[in-house]
Amino acid sequence: KNEVEQSPQNLTAQEGEFITINCSYSVGISALHWLQQHPGGGIVSLFMLSSGKKKHGRLIATINIQEKHSSLHITASHPRDSAVYICAAPPQGGSEKLVFGKGTKLTVNP
Amino acid sequence: ETGVTQTPRHLVMGMTNKKSLKCEQHLGHNAMYWYKQSAKKPLELMFVYSLEERVENNSVPSRFSPECPNSSHLFLHLHTLQPEDSALYLCASSQFRTGRYEQYFGPGTRLTVT
Repeated sequence: KNEVEQSPQNLTAQEGEFITINCSYSVGISALHWLQQHPGGGIVSLFMLSSGKKKHGRLIATINIQEKHSSLHITASHPRDSAVYICAAPPQGGSEKLVFGKGTKLTVNP
Repeated sequence: ETGVTQTPRHLVMGMTNKKSLKCEQHLGHNAMYWYKQSAKKPLELMFVYSLEERVENNSVPSRFSPECPNSSHLFLHLHTLQPEDSALYLCASSQFRTGRYEQYFGPGTRLTVT
């Protein structure tokens, strides 16, 4: 079974700061997901990546398959980035079923 | 707006009540999922339906009963729930077995059992 660990659990930043959230997993996978959950519960898929790096606006996700590690970066953070960021990976190899990390609660203060 | 809708958004029910949660996806996907999110715990997969057949059931108590009448609709029927069942229930959909693992989530139903 894949164990998915995220750090930190909670993160508070000032507007404009560069943010890094880390995710590590224990079993080799074909793709890893980063999700964003806003207060109230709705979840949005940010990235699905299997190698290298992906960028969407101020969000950048990287993955190192050999080290079983992924990072989510937010540049020039803004209060509207405040949310819970969740890393998810298949239980093993490739699978539609996902194992979720506990999430990182990010608060960006103005 | 992710293309997955859930109703109701909030539900308060007593332990003897029977209620149903509804999920609808407008994405043409062929798989739908129910997840439970309790406070300070990771998302837990409850049920997976692919092509309207249940393909996963993660030892969920029988007081939760899913129904998938077609590929666009998913229900979770609730009866004689316990207070510990209070949680956020999330529905998701995806294209099953195509190598595209991305799941699209609904806004969730916040359930409180009194």
